[in-house]
Amino acid sequence: QVQLVESGGGVVQPGRSLRLSCAASGFTFSSYDMHWVRQAPGKGLEWVAVISYDGSNKYYAGSVKGRFTISRDKSKNTLYLQMSSLRVEDTAVYYCVKVRSSYYFDYWGQGTLVTVSS
Amino acid sequence: QSALTQPASVSGSPGQSITISCTGTSSDVGNSNLVSWYQQHPGKAPKLMIYEDSERPSGVSNRFSGSKSGNTASLTISGLQAEDEADYYCCSYAGTNTWDWVFGGGTKLTVL
Repeated sequence: QVQLVESGGGVVQPGRSLRLSCAASGFTFSSYDMHWVRQAPGKGLEWVAVISYDGSNKYYAGSVKGRFTISRDKSKNTLYLQMSSLRVEDTAVYYCVKVRSSYYFDYWGQGTLVTVSS
Repeated sequence: QSALTQPASVSGSPGQSITISCTGTSSDVGNSNLVSWYQQHPGKAPKLMIYEDSERPSGVSNRFSGSKSGNTASLTISGLQAEDEADYYCCSYAGTNTWDWVFGGGTKLTVL
């Protein structure tokens, strides 16, 4: 069955960097676009970034563009999110998400909490 | 891209039906049949309930249905059950010259 397991979250000071990882299994990782979606404490969902199945296309939400970088390693079946210049408002649970038919989020990881605080 | 507009809360009694609206623009909800709905229980990851405006993934109860008219999509839950109490989010693909997705602010469903 599809499994997505995020890791790398934690407490980090504003302005610092952090890298999240998502280990994927149970499906052909290299055949699917992958996303990161986040949820601030007590708030709604916010789309963060997408990477195409082959890594050739990457797009970001305006709130993170220029600070976050999405990437993938097909040899490790792993998705990454490199976050730099972190802000207090980046505090959220970050979910790794697989897509169905390119446009819908059909499998979600359990999420990893990133807290940006001094 | 602005968030889609959903009511903050709705409620209903067991066995009743409720509808949650999701209003966007001609650039997102009204642009194509690419609206989806997600259910989220406290402390859990979201679950896909509806895609392509009105399609149900296998395993999702047929008590859940989706529809759309113009720039407003709707999720209807019939025969409310206690386990339906959760947060519900709509989402639309909003890309034109780029890839972009936008979520609604979420609706808290309370089963009375």
